[in-house]
Amino acid sequence: DQQVKQNSPSLSVQEGRISILNCDYTNSMFDYFLWYKKYPAEGPTFLISISSIKDKNEDGRFTVFLNKSAKHLSLHIVPSQPGDSAVYFCAAQTNFGNEKLTFGTGTRLTIIP
Amino acid sequence: NAGVTQTPKFRVLKTGQSMTLLCAQDMNHEYMYWYRQDPGMGLRLIHYSVGEGTTAKGEVPDGYNVSRLKKQNFLLGLESAAPSQTSVYFCASRTGGPYEQYFGPGTRLTVT
Repeated sequence: DQQVKQNSPSLSVQEGRISILNCDYTNSMFDYFLWYKKYPAEGPTFLISISSIKDKNEDGRFTVFLNKSAKHLSLHIVPSQPGDSAVYFCAAQTNFGNEKLTFGTGTRLTIIP
Repeated sequence: NAGVTQTPKFRVLKTGQSMTLLCAQDMNHEYMYWYRQDPGMGLRLIHYSVGEGTTAKGEVPDGYNVSRLKKQNFLLGLESAAPSQTSVYFCASRTGGPYEQYFGPGTRLTVT
């Protein structure tokens, strides 16, 4: 059972426009969420996170929104740049048993110049 | 700081052979993890460790063993490799506090 779902395997966005990546989860015990970015032949790198006590967290061009009632989070990238082309993974963690992350299957974002 | 390093970067094994993947971190992190990444499957946790001398099973532990004899090292062993273990393996580590994990560059393993 996939507890963290990224239903869009791929997304193409024009350079300068907004990229929106979505993530849904089923486990109501998740209370901390992270986004990771992965380039080919490299390990994932941490991008941004959000606690369940917030509904928004911003870091430069990156903003994560959390809708707890819908069990949905999204990552907004504005403006999108060619260097943003990568695979993005959503991950979630519970406060209890917090040593483990559960990852989604990833979304490949391609920024078109 | 080198961060998280993995050895080797690439390896080809024949079915039934054994090997050990080494992960090392120089950040004094308590927690260490081994994941595998397969197309369409995301990152799946194989084994993890919450401190020196400890190990625990993750989501897909079968066919793998691990050891954490030193805080900075986490070894992943395949005793008898199978083609289903063809994958990219990532090691990660984190402190006991914030949840962000730091990943190594990966090991691409092919079992023929």
